[in-house]
Amino acid sequence: DSGVTQTPKHLITATGQRVTLRCSPRSGDLSVYWYQQSLDQGLQFLIQYYNGEERAKGNILERFSAQQFPDLHSELNLSSLELGDSALYFCASSFTSSSTDTQYFGPGTRLTVL
Amino acid sequence: GENVEQHPSTLSVQEGDSAVIKCTYSDSASNYFPWYKQELGKRPQLIIDIRSNVGEKKDQRIAVTLNKTAKHFSLHITETQPEDSAVYFCAASNRLDYGGSQGNLIFGKGTKLSVKP
Repeated sequence: DSGVTQTPKHLITATGQRVTLRCSPRSGDLSVYWYQQSLDQGLQFLIQYYNGEERAKGNILERFSAQQFPDLHSELNLSSLELGDSALYFCASSFTSSSTDTQYFGPGTRLTVL
Repeated sequence: GENVEQHPSTLSVQEGDSAVIKCTYSDSASNYFPWYKQELGKRPQLIIDIRSNVGEKKDQRIAVTLNKTAKHFSLHITETQPEDSAVYFCAASNRLDYGGSQGNLIFGKGTKLSVKP
């Protein structure tokens, strides 16, 4: 157990809908990263937050947004969902915002868009 | 930005043999290279990492080597066991601020390792 928690574990929804994925970092970690893993694909970096502020952006679609709250948990919002958004979504946390700090991954949320 | 290539995409070995997975990266400023193991349906777990001031690091049956000149790094697993079967991902740090440390990780596409008993 990495100490990073994610809810829900599974999410099934329809095209056009909006969902929110939640992540709580390890105790003491200030940075949260979001990744998307599609079938047979690697881990695509979406976005990073550090202590409530956006720090880095990857291949995140405009339909997706995220935020980090004062208690450091983060939410990833996915809207106008398409079939291709079906994937495993992982969050990871680290103590600092440095790219050389170890990232610990949560168990993931499996999103299925029907 | 950084780009990471990983080979092979699949690797099948007999139990007890060694396995080697190789990655190349494009940004000479990258200075942190972790390896993650992901079992089916589970989270990626860090198994070993190396920083640019070190050429080799070993942890029991797992070792990582780094060649900064050639911009490649490799994962070596010796005496493989069936429980080593998983997908392995390499990654490289992607610094967003020149001379600083802010940034994220860029991952390779993964290697599916199968260890046959």
